[in-house]
Amino acid sequence: EIVLTQSPDFQSVTPKEKVTITCRASQSIGSSLHWYQQKPDQSPKLLIKYASQSISGVPSRFSGSGSGTDFTLTINSLEAEDAAAYYCHQSSSLRGTFGGGTKVEIK
Amino acid sequence: EVQLVESGGGLVQPGGSLRLSCAASGFTVSSNYMSWVRQAPGKGLEWVSVIYSGGSTYYADSVKGRFTISRDNSKNTLYLQMNSLRAEDTAVYYCARDDFLDYWGQGTLVTVSS
Repeated sequence: EIVLTQSPDFQSVTPKEKVTITCRASQSIGSSLHWYQQKPDQSPKLLIKYASQSISGVPSRFSGSGSGTDFTLTINSLEAEDAAAYYCHQSSSLRGTFGGGTKVEIK
Repeated sequence: EVQLVESGGGLVQPGGSLRLSCAASGFTVSSNYMSWVRQAPGKGLEWVSVIYSGGSTYYADSVKGRFTISRDNSKNTLYLQMNSLRAEDTAVYYCARDDFLDYWGQGTLVTVSS
């Protein structure tokens, strides 16, 4: 099983600040890494697919980078509506896995 | 418009069974990867199972041998048959489309308790 390790677990951030969340895979997964946002009592929402590909309708302040084992989700100029949990997910192997999640709180 | 609607959740005793359904519209289930993902109360997301367009199926070790994923092409619906349920299977179960999970349903709550 491919293990995805996200960091940090929690981040408290002021509006307009830049947020960086990392996801490390236990083995190389190429670019088969995707990012999701989940707000309380809502279903997860796809933010970035295949490490860096943007999704229609997702604000441009969300971006992704990385390949192989190390990946990053960046939120430029955080807004209050970005308070949520963020998860990475790999689809490289036959059995998918998720990272443990990062909760972003607005100060 | 793509839409996924789960149903079939509820309260079940340990050792019992449930079948979850995921009715799809706006696309063809059999032409896509379809997955089940669950989330225990207050916890993170856990990948459960996938069925590929060719029909191959795969499961997380935690449910292998107890859960079965399937689809009914005539009804454009995905299923998850869950047997020998345990307390640790208590979660909201989501269905989602494609390998990058671009569309998700609203989820259905499964509670395993005596």
